[in-house]
Amino acid sequence: AQTVTQSQPEMSVQEAETVTLSCTYDTSESDYYLFWYKQPPSRQMILVIRQEAYKQQNATENRFSVNFQKAAKSFSLKISDSQLGDAAMYFCAYYTSGTYKYIFGTGTRLKVLA
Amino acid sequence: DADVTQTPRNRITKTGKRIMLECSQTKGHDRMYWYRQDPGLGLRLIYYSFDVKDINKGEISDGYSVSRQAQAKFSLSLESAIPNQTALYFCATSDDRDRKQYFGPGTRLTVT
Repeated sequence: AQTVTQSQPEMSVQEAETVTLSCTYDTSESDYYLFWYKQPPSRQMILVIRQEAYKQQNATENRFSVNFQKAAKSFSLKISDSQLGDAAMYFCAYYTSGTYKYIFGTGTRLKVLA
Repeated sequence: DADVTQTPRNRITKTGKRIMLECSQTKGHDRMYWYRQDPGLGLRLIYYSFDVKDINKGEISDGYSVSRQAQAKFSLSLESAIPNQTALYFCATSDDRDRKQYFGPGTRLTVT
C-alpha cells in the first residue's frame, strides 16, 4: 500500500532564512505525482508545488522548490527567504493513476520567527 | 466567486442527529472527493466520485454516505452523528489533466 510520511511534526525558521520540510513515500508505481499543500490558520488548503515522477527536473515556484529523489522516494520542500506569511501546516501528498486517489502525510507545522 | 464551495462552514449538532454537508464546484471537473482532517492524522479519504454514476468508498467510509446529484454537486451525510465524527471536513475536485486538487474552504463539524 502506498504511504506518505512526514517525520517532522513541527519546525521553526527565522524570518529570511531557509527551511526544508521532509517527506518520504512508499510505492511500487512508476507513474505518479507528488504535491505540497499549505494550510494557513484560515484552514484553506493551498497548492504550493507539484512534481511529476517522470520528470527529473525539480519543480520550482518562486521561493518554493523541491528536492525530488525518486530512487530514495524522498520529496522535500525548501522554502527560501522565509516570510511570516509562510507560517502554516504543510502537507505532502501522493497521487497515482493506479488508484486515482490522493494520499496525504500527517503534516508539518512551520513557525516563522520574526 | 470561489470555485469549490462548502456549506455550512461551521456546524454544531447532537449525537444521533442526521446531518448533510454540501459541496458545489464550478471547475467543471468530473472527480470529486470528501476528506476529514483530524489533528495529527492529516487528511483521510471518506468517499470519492468520478462521475454521477461512479462513487467509491475511501479508507474511512463507515458512518458516512454520499450523493452525487450532478457533476457540480457532491454531498456527504452522517446518518447518525457521533462525537468521534467531530472534525474538519473538506471537499475537493481534481483536474484530469494535471492531477491538481482544488479544495473547498472546509466545514468544521462538532458533534456533542
